[in-house]
Amino acid sequence: GQQVMQIPQYQHVQEGEDFTTYCNSSTTLSNIQWYKQRPGGHPVFLIQLVKSGEVKKQKRLTFQFGEAKKNSSLHITATQTTDVGTYFCAGNSNYQLIWGAGTKLIIKP
Amino acid sequence: KAGVTQTPRYLIKTRGQQVTLSCSPISGHRSVSWYQQTPGQGLQFLFEYFSETQRNKGNFPGRFSGRQFSNSRSEMNVSTLELGDSALYLCASSLEASPPGGYTFGSGTRLTVV
Repeated sequence: GQQVMQIPQYQHVQEGEDFTTYCNSSTTLSNIQWYKQRPGGHPVFLIQLVKSGEVKKQKRLTFQFGEAKKNSSLHITATQTTDVGTYFCAGNSNYQLIWGAGTKLIIKP
Repeated sequence: KAGVTQTPRYLIKTRGQQVTLSCSPISGHRSVSWYQQTPGQGLQFLFEYFSETQRNKGNFPGRFSGRQFSNSRSEMNVSTLELGDSALYLCASSLEASPPGGYTFGSGTRLTVV
């Protein structure tokens, strides 16, 4: 079946270091969405990418959609404690939203 | 505007019982999707309703069912509860299916089966 693989499962960083999570789909996606879930919270929509090769920025967050519309990434520059949480991608294929397993961002004490 | 409201927030049930969870979407939103989330797991899609019709269904047993009413409110029912059904159940609403703005999630119902 259709799958969206998201890696890594966890990433431990020192505050101030960068963080990146990657999503790869087995099929071409019409669009991809990104969500953030804080510990104990619910997913919150961050952004949607639609166009091939699209790059969008939200302050320290940079989102990319691959040229083939099968992969995407989220990069956070200079992480802060407020960035802690799990980041999910969700790809839209055949009117179904296929979710990645999420990447948990952990800030080392 | 009010967000997505899920009730109850917490629920403890005994194995073999049944449970009904409720979701009130954002006013004007016609699509409601349900997800199951267990510790360490991602979001497992249960079903999606749009204008009272089930549009998509995930790979869950028939014990899991749902419906949507004419006011777009949705309910999810789980019969013959099993210990493995303990999870956070999330409801998400949107104007249309797979909307540009993404889905708005409720705070979830945390179900514990003992």
